[in-house]
Amino acid sequence: QVQLQESGPGLVKPSQTLSLTCTVSGGSISSGSYYWSWIRQPAGKGLEWIGRIYTSGSTNYNPSLKSRVTISVDTSKNQFSLKLSSVTAADTAVYYCAREQMGGYLGYWGQGTLVTVSS
Amino acid sequence: SSELTQDPAVSVALGQTVRITCQGDSLRSYYASWYQQKPGQAPVLVIYGKNNRPSGIPDRFSGSSSGNTASLTITGAQAEDEADYYCNSRDSSGNHLFGGGTKLTVL
Repeated sequence: QVQLQESGPGLVKPSQTLSLTCTVSGGSISSGSYYWSWIRQPAGKGLEWIGRIYTSGSTNYNPSLKSRVTISVDTSKNQFSLKLSSVTAADTAVYYCAREQMGGYLGYWGQGTLVTVSS
Repeated sequence: SSELTQDPAVSVALGQTVRITCQGDSLRSYYASWYQQKPGQAPVLVIYGKNNRPSGIPDRFSGSSSGNTASLTITGAQAEDEADYYCNSRDSSGNHLFGGGTKLTVL
């Protein structure tokens, strides 16, 4: 059973870079035809797709965040990561990582991690 | 447009049938997937593809699609189905879209 776990600082200062890592267990991140995705959810609001990466390194990003987002993968550690630069309070949210199956659906999700942007 | 539209809230009497809809141009080309989210929990996939349920999802959950509208139907709603439901699809660039979510209340 694949499991995903987000990790990273829970507090980030405005204008700095938010960095999160998703560790995948129960399977190799480089096996199979999967995309590895990041999604976020501000408190009391809906889900927002941030972007995804294929194990080849190919990426897609939400156009509204594209200028600030970088997603990368480290197959040796079975991890993928999110960097979001120049953060503001509007970036405060629970951040989820997820695995996208062939067909475009998000079959496995991490439990989520709250990141607060505040000085 | 690159948006998915859902009704903000829907209610259903216990044991009755409810349909939650999602509208968007991308649904003419790509199937929606549906996610259930309970307070304080991560979303859970309940329907994907034409009408597929992951293992462990009750068969009272079903999906359908017509034109630019995808629907999630719960036949015989249970108290534990009270949750937020989100639809998701892709656009031609591979970017994902989420609907704004529907809060389901079981009366």
